Amino acid sequence: AQSVTQLDSHVSVSEGTPVLLRCNYSSSYSPSLFWYVQHPNKGLQLLLKYTSAATLVKGINGFEAEFKKSETSFHLTKPSAHMSDAAEYFCVVSDRGNTDKLIFGTGTRLQVFP
Amino acid sequence: DTEVTQTPKHLVMGMTNKKSLKCEQHMGHRAMYWYKQKAKKPPELMFVYSYEKLSINESVPSRFSPECPNSSLLNLHLHALQPEDSALYLCASRVIGVNTEAFFGQGTRLTVV
Repeated sequence: AQSVTQLDSHVSVSEGTPVLLRCNYSSSYSPSLFWYVQHPNKGLQLLLKYTSAATLVKGINGFEAEFKKSETSFHLTKPSAHMSDAAEYFCVVSDRGNTDKLIFGTGTRLQVFP
Repeated sequence: DTEVTQTPKHLVMGMTNKKSLKCEQHMGHRAMYWYKQKAKKPPELMFVYSYEKLSINESVPSRFSPECPNSSLLNLHLHALQPEDSALYLCASRVIGVNTEAFFGQGTRLTVV
């Protein structure tokens, strides 16, 4: 069965410094992986997705993620944090056993200090 | 149009009331979802409709009743809810397939009093 683990529940950075949000997956198959962002009391917005094409995926708002099969990781990065990046981030895997399902990680809250 | 529209945005209801949440999308997606999200938690899957048929019910109490009248609309009928049902209810839609992302609405903030 597929699963995702977000290694940090809370990450704090200063504005202008790099962001790293960590996600490890477990899958018997080649996974489809997604990163979503959720601002307070809002819906979820897709940042980027990996679907077995290029291993380095670029997303919106300067975010990118690298799929590393050897490490079963899909970490989200951004070179320079902005105050508006403060939000909750979810790593998600598509369940190949039941293609209707998306499996969510527990989330990482990103705090950005001025 | 890449929007999923949910109404109402906020809802306060008593434990004896009956109310409905509505979700609409015009992207031609044939999979539609209801999620429940409590504060500081990830969304929990409640129901999935695939080609307008209920494909997944995650053992949700019968006081929640979903309905998919057509390929663009998804409703969630609420009856005799409990205060612990207060949460953000999110609707999502998706092209059916393992590589496809879900598009989420802004949610309905439900408070049961």
